[in-house]
Amino acid sequence: QKEVEQNSGPLSVPEGAIASLNCTYSDRVSQSFFWYRQYSGKSPELIMSIYSNGDKEDGRFTAQLNKASQYVSLLIRDSQPSDSATYLCAVMNYGGSQGNLIFGKGTKLSVKP
Amino acid sequence: SQTIHQWPATLVQPVGSPLSLECTVEGTSNPNLYWYRQAAGRGLQLLFYSVGIGQISSEVPQNLSASRPQDRQFILSSKKLLLSDSGFYLCAWNTSPGTEAFFGQGTRLTVV
Repeated sequence: QKEVEQNSGPLSVPEGAIASLNCTYSDRVSQSFFWYRQYSGKSPELIMSIYSNGDKEDGRFTAQLNKASQYVSLLIRDSQPSDSATYLCAVMNYGGSQGNLIFGKGTKLSVKP
Repeated sequence: SQTIHQWPATLVQPVGSPLSLECTVEGTSNPNLYWYRQAAGRGLQLLFYSVGIGQISSEVPQNLSASRPQDRQFILSSKKLLLSDSGFYLCAWNTSPGTEAFFGQGTRLTVV
C-alpha cells in the first residue's frame, strides 16, 4: 500500500514566522511531488511542484525534496493569516501511461496575527 | 487557458437514489482525469482515473462507477446511494502522468 504521511497538526505559528510542513512517502520509486493548499470548504489549489532532489523556491514558498530519505517539505516564510489552511502533500509515481496521485491527509496550519 | 468545470456544487440525495456528477475540461486535449472523494476529517481518496475515452481504472471497489464518453468529459455515477457516499467529490486533470494536477470546485454530496 502506497502511503503519504503528514502530521495532522494543527501547526500554529505567529505572523511573520517561518512555517515548516513535512511529509514522508513509502513508495521509493515516486517521481513527482506536489504541495496543495486547501481552505475550509474549498478545493485544493496547487502551490508547488518538485521533481528532483534539493530546494525549489517560489516567492515565500520553498519546497525541499530528499528522495534518499523519502521526505518532502514545504517552508512558508513571513507567514500571513491568509496562509491559514490545510496543506496537502501529494506524490505521484507512474509507469507507462498511467499515474496515480496519492495524497496525505494534510497538515492544518494556523497563523496567528 | 485550461479550465475545469464541475457541477453541481452541492447536492442532497436520499439513500437509494441514483447519482450523476459531471466534470468537463476546456482548453486541452486528451487530459488525464481523476475523481477523488474527501470524507469529513479524512484525506483525499482516489476513486477513478482515466487516460482516455472509455479507459477507466478503479482504485477502490464500491457502488460508484465512472465513465468517459468524450475526451474532456468525466462522469461519476451510482445506481443506489449509501449514507457512506456522503463527502466532497473532486474532479482533477493533468496533461500527462507525473505533471501538475488541477482541481475543479468540487461537489459536496450529502446522502440523507
